[in-house]
Amino acid sequence: ETGVTQTPRHLVMGMTNKKSLKCEQHLGHNAMYWYKQSAKKPLELMFVYNFKEQTENNSVPSRFSPECPNSSHLFLHLHTLQPEDSALYLCASSQGLAGTSTDTQYFGPGTRLTVL
Amino acid sequence: AQKVTQAQTEISVVEKEDVTLDCVYETRDTTYYLFWYKQPPSGELVFLIRRNSFDEQNEISGRYSWNFQKSTSSFNFTITASQVVDSAVYFCALSIRDTGRRALTFGSGTRLQVQP
Repeated sequence: ETGVTQTPRHLVMGMTNKKSLKCEQHLGHNAMYWYKQSAKKPLELMFVYNFKEQTENNSVPSRFSPECPNSSHLFLHLHTLQPEDSALYLCASSQGLAGTSTDTQYFGPGTRLTVL
Repeated sequence: AQKVTQAQTEISVVEKEDVTLDCVYETRDTTYYLFWYKQPPSGELVFLIRRNSFDEQNEISGRYSWNFQKSTSSFNFTITASQVVDSAVYFCALSIRDTGRRALTFGSGTRLQVQP
């Protein structure tokens, strides 16, 4: 199943680097999401986009900067990260937002980020 | 506010045993949707099932079955005759028609280990 793809799958970066994570969905969905999953912690919603517009920012530090140029692509730009930002970053998409009849989210394989 | 509780952090069973993963949810809404996802070691969350609050019929799909009981606000997941390939983290999630919340609310997950 290649409905939602993420690149790169693994990323190691220093605290002063700038990098970007990419997510692409091939499902014709309108909503896209970024989640952070740290070891031993629940899934944390970071951002929600619907029809390219950001509809939710879950108090994410500004060193994470999302970009959604169209409904199929979502980026997460990273700069000046901290070691505690090391985690699995998951992208998801859905046809509709939560509470609609089409809110099932489909996830990508994730990017495992290590900040040194 | 809504909440999903998966009280079982880790479960270990021997192959061919049946196992039930518990999920308890909280919401004041009468219309809501419940989900189960599987996260194998590869990291990607795989969608398993979605049920709406008006459909309390239990569902069976192969070795998987789900028991939805509104009276106890539970949506439990049973794997019959477990196999090693069932080893994963399983997440229960909830979505409601609340304009203030755009995405699913996930539980903290239950790690299932199936020993050969």
